[in-house]
Amino acid sequence: DVRLVESGGGLVRPGGSLRLSCAASGFTFINHWIHWVRRVPGKGLEWVSRVNSNGFTTEYADSVRGRFTISRDNAKNTVYLQLNSLRAEDTGVYYCGRYGSGDNSAIDYGMDVWGQGTTVTVS
Amino acid sequence: QPVLTQPLSVSGTPGQRVTISCSGSSSDIGGNNVNWYQHLPGAAPKLLIYHNYHRPSGIPDRFSGSKSGTSASLAISGLQPEDEADYYCATWDGSLHIQVVFGGGTKLTVL
Repeated sequence: DVRLVESGGGLVRPGGSLRLSCAASGFTFINHWIHWVRRVPGKGLEWVSRVNSNGFTTEYADSVRGRFTISRDNAKNTVYLQLNSLRAEDTGVYYCGRYGSGDNSAIDYGMDVWGQGTTVTVS
Repeated sequence: QPVLTQPLSVSGTPGQRVTISCSGSSSDIGGNNVNWYQHLPGAAPKLLIYHNYHRPSGIPDRFSGSKSGTSASLAISGLQPEDEADYYCATWDGSLHIQVVFGGGTKLTVL
């Protein structure tokens, strides 16, 4: 089965840190960009960050740039999201998602596999 | 404030057809492709439509997508109770930093 499993969420004080993990299985991990998306209470889905297949290219939402760091360990099929200087507005459920790929590089395949999420509470 | 504008809610009765709109600008939808996701609280989001109108395997043809200019839409025909969920459009914005942008989400209620 193709799976993504997030872990590492929890309750943290404002200004604190957490490291989230996203463990992948059932597919060729190095062929895919991996994204983090969060669902904030009372709001919708918000894109957070993404990392390319070799980990050398990373991008961030304006709201987290400079505070969050994404990385990946292809030997462990795992992506990490380091959350620093946490704020109350970072509270939410954090999902990792696999960005699809295929034979046609001109096609936007979307985030085709998602994990169940891990909850971050900043309070 | 979400970059892409969606209606807060839509509703329909079983068997009906509903559409959800997604409005953006030239820097996002206007220059990129649109994907649609379904999200039930407590569950993982699910990809419904990719690249404007393509359906992943396993997604019924009741779901269809389209895009024109700086807007996109998702249509759901033959509405079923299990379609009650939140729906999000998403695309890319490369105006300053490359980012994925989501719509604010639309709550679909099946009456």
